[in-house]
Amino acid sequence: EPEVTQTPSHQVTQMGQEVILRCVPISNHLYFYWYRQILGQKVEFLVSFYNNEISEKSEIFDDQFSVERPDGSNFTLKIRSTKLEDSAMYFCASSIMMGDPYFGPGTRLTVT
Amino acid sequence: SQQGEEDPQALSIQEGENATMNCSYKTSINNLQWYRQNSGRGLVHLILIRSNEREKHSGRLRVTLDTSKKSSSLLITASRAADTASYFCATDNGSGYSTLTFGKGTMLLVSP
Repeated sequence: EPEVTQTPSHQVTQMGQEVILRCVPISNHLYFYWYRQILGQKVEFLVSFYNNEISEKSEIFDDQFSVERPDGSNFTLKIRSTKLEDSAMYFCASSIMMGDPYFGPGTRLTVT
Repeated sequence: SQQGEEDPQALSIQEGENATMNCSYKTSINNLQWYRQNSGRGLVHLILIRSNEREKHSGRLRVTLDTSKKSSSLLITASRAADTASYFCATDNGSGYSTLTFGKGTMLLVSP
């Protein structure tokens, strides 16, 4: 069964550093998402991406965040200057159409 | 007020018993989905129920949806120790890009 993959599984970075989280969505999917889950809290929507542009974003997704689909297969989330509060599990998801996104296993980001 | 609130927050049962988790939401929805998350791991999609459906089954799972009460329930029958996980409901409000709003989850512990 096709699945969404994410790398790395765990990323440790120092405050102020840039990080790029990578995702490979399911190949025929058209909609892509990033969500995050701070330890012990709800899963929160960050951004959705369709037709090579951001279609929707939450208040969390400020200027420090950006997304890109550089080569037609990867979907990346960049955090320019990480803060301690960016420590969370970041989930990528994709869907073929609206509804029923498939989630990846997540990347645990630890900012020290 | 928050979309997608589950109760109970925690549920402890014995193997073989049924587990019922509830979810309430505030705004109108396009569909409601249930996910499972094992500790520190990714989100596993369990079942999606659309706003025009009232009940859906998948194996040992039974989901109901009452749009008049803005609530849903997830029933796991004949539970197993392997069902131990956190269960989240997530609502899609039909904004157009399938962004999901998650609840805080119910932590289910099934003891052998």
